[in-house]
Amino acid sequence: DAGVIQSPRHEVTEMGQEVTLRCKPISGHNSLFWYRQTMMRGLELLIYFNNNVPIDDSGMPEDRFSAKMPNASFSTLKIQPSEPRDSAVYFCASSLRLAGVGEQFFGPGTRLTVL
Amino acid sequence: QQQVKQSPQSLIVQKGGISIINCAYENTAFDYFPWYQQFPGKGPALLIAIRPDVSEKKEGRFTISFNKSAKQFSLHIMDSQPGDSATYFCAAHHGRTGANNLFFGTGTRLTVIP
Repeated sequence: DAGVIQSPRHEVTEMGQEVTLRCKPISGHNSLFWYRQTMMRGLELLIYFNNNVPIDDSGMPEDRFSAKMPNASFSTLKIQPSEPRDSAVYFCASSLRLAGVGEQFFGPGTRLTVL
Repeated sequence: QQQVKQSPQSLIVQKGGISIINCAYENTAFDYFPWYQQFPGKGPALLIAIRPDVSEKKEGRFTISFNKSAKQFSLHIMDSQPGDSATYFCAAHHGRTGANNLFFGTGTRLTVIP
């Protein structure tokens, strides 16, 4: 298996622009997580889905952030409008949740720079 | 509020030494405690994990020590090697029905010098 796939790997944009990050989870996994990593705040959970349904989006910082999972093999995280403080590495992770918690497999991340 | 508190923030160890990273939590509903390892430019990856019904788990040079009464757990890396240089995150899972997210610590950057 190719693992969790994220695109793009790097994104540089200007303040006010819309940014869309993409994630393809591991085939067969039923949970998907979006994280943001910064030096100041470490690894923060933004939102997670079980069976394509958003379960907890309490970590989404503000209304500028939105996430969707239209099917089991694709998810997007959108920032509109983007701001310099959104600059971070964004990770997508997936897991197979059966009974209890499953191991999370992380993608390589998208490094976002907002100028 | 940080659900899992991790220390130290950074650690420098000589090759062959023992690296120790500590984590503490308050919520007694946590039922699973993994450690993730992250190399520069990569996503975190599961290293080792423990459940609170055991006090220690060992996998090769990596050991988790778990103290349920103190609500603390730690990662010990024996015979530390330069290849172990990475950022380590402890985490905890809340055993609440329907929730399978993890609460991560803030990370420890380990540097093993030759």
